[in-house]
Amino acid sequence: AQKVTQAQTEISVVEKEDVTLDCVYETRDTTYYLFWYKQPPSGELVFLIRRNSFDEQNEISGRYSWNFQKSTSSFNFTITASQVVDSAVYFCALRPTSYGKLTFGQGTILTVHP
Amino acid sequence: EPEVTQTPSHQVTQMGQEVILRCVPISNHLYFYWYRQILGQKVEFLVSFYNNEISEKSEIFDDQFSVERPDGSNFTLKIRSTKLEDSAMYFCASSQEDYGYTFGSGTRLTVV
Repeated sequence: AQKVTQAQTEISVVEKEDVTLDCVYETRDTTYYLFWYKQPPSGELVFLIRRNSFDEQNEISGRYSWNFQKSTSSFNFTITASQVVDSAVYFCALRPTSYGKLTFGQGTILTVHP
Repeated sequence: EPEVTQTPSHQVTQMGQEVILRCVPISNHLYFYWYRQILGQKVEFLVSFYNNEISEKSEIFDDQFSVERPDGSNFTLKIRSTKLEDSAMYFCASSQEDYGYTFGSGTRLTVV
């Protein structure tokens, strides 16, 4: 069975602060994919990143960076110099195969205050 | 950028009525999915569909639910007799093997 845990229910920061969203997963599969999605107040799910289990390199995309650590089953997401537009719910998700279902975490509500 | 299109964006229905939620997946994708998100909660898997049949379904996807790909482009989710607890955002998604997993913008279903 797959499980994704996002222990932080809500995070509140002031603009320009850095913030890290935690994600811990459980799976028995040796091959899997990890995802982060952003859900703004408008409700859609915006894809941010996909990482497969063979690739433990950290990734940076602008103000976003991801730290994948297989040894601790974690896939954490950091926003540097946060902005008000980053306010959203962020979901971490796990997929066991290239076409299987996604298992989502509970989500972290991020509020960035001006 | 190809999109998954869902209609309607918002549907209000009376308890006990049948509803059909519609989705147009990305044209060269082969795998299709429905997910549900009750307000304020996490996104939950309902069903996956491949090669014109259900490949996996969750416990939520009981006999009240059905899916269909009626014409090679649309992918529909039918709820036969809606209950209040079916009120949620319903997301359609499609994927193509190792490529990205694309979600539609969702249909907000309100059962009154």
